[in-house]
Amino acid sequence: AQSVTQLDSQVPVFEEAPVELRCNYSSSVSVYLFWYVQYPNQGLQLLLKYLSGSTLVKGINGFEAEFNKSQTSFHLRKPSVHISDTAEYFCAVRGVTGGGNKLTFGTGTQLKVEL
Amino acid sequence: KAGVTQTPRYLIKTRGQQVTLSCSPISGHRSVSWYQQTPGQGLQFLFEYFSETQRNKGNFPGRFSGRQFSNSRSEMNVSTLELGDSALYLCASSLEALEQFFGPGTRLTVL
Repeated sequence: AQSVTQLDSQVPVFEEAPVELRCNYSSSVSVYLFWYVQYPNQGLQLLLKYLSGSTLVKGINGFEAEFNKSQTSFHLRKPSVHISDTAEYFCAVRGVTGGGNKLTFGTGTQLKVEL
Repeated sequence: KAGVTQTPRYLIKTRGQQVTLSCSPISGHRSVSWYQQTPGQGLQFLFEYFSETQRNKGNFPGRFSGRQFSNSRSEMNVSTLELGDSALYLCASSLEALEQFFGPGTRLTVL
């Protein structure tokens, strides 16, 4: 079984400032890791994913994340945020073997970008 | 390519009734997963269907059921609705790869 912890429920940040959204996971097996974004009244959109290889993963909209196996973390970063980045962000994990496509999600982090 | 579609988008039911939600995956995708999203419990996995077979199931009572048709379209059914079933129900499809594409969801309100 896997679990995901997103330590920050809300992160306020000024436009053009950098931001980091934290994600830690727990799993007894190797995992794949994902970040999704959800805008109001919409479904989830994949930002980026870590499957294997380079631990630094680049995604859409200028976001990137770094997989740290020793710290079991997968923090999401963006060097300069825009008002349009205001949304809820979810970290998710899936076991490499077994479990089909079942994703386990964190509780989400609401990113609020202010002028 | 058309995305994942879910119908209806909004639904209001009363306690004790039953409801059926529909999901049409992206063309060619054979895996369909369902998730429930609530403010209190967050995003929780309901079940996954692949080639008409349930491949995985979350920890929900038997009132929640689903099925998948030969064209990969999927339905989920909730019987004997409770107030706590009010939620956004999200469907996601996958090409047996690792990326799941989510639909816009069905907002169910139980009165």
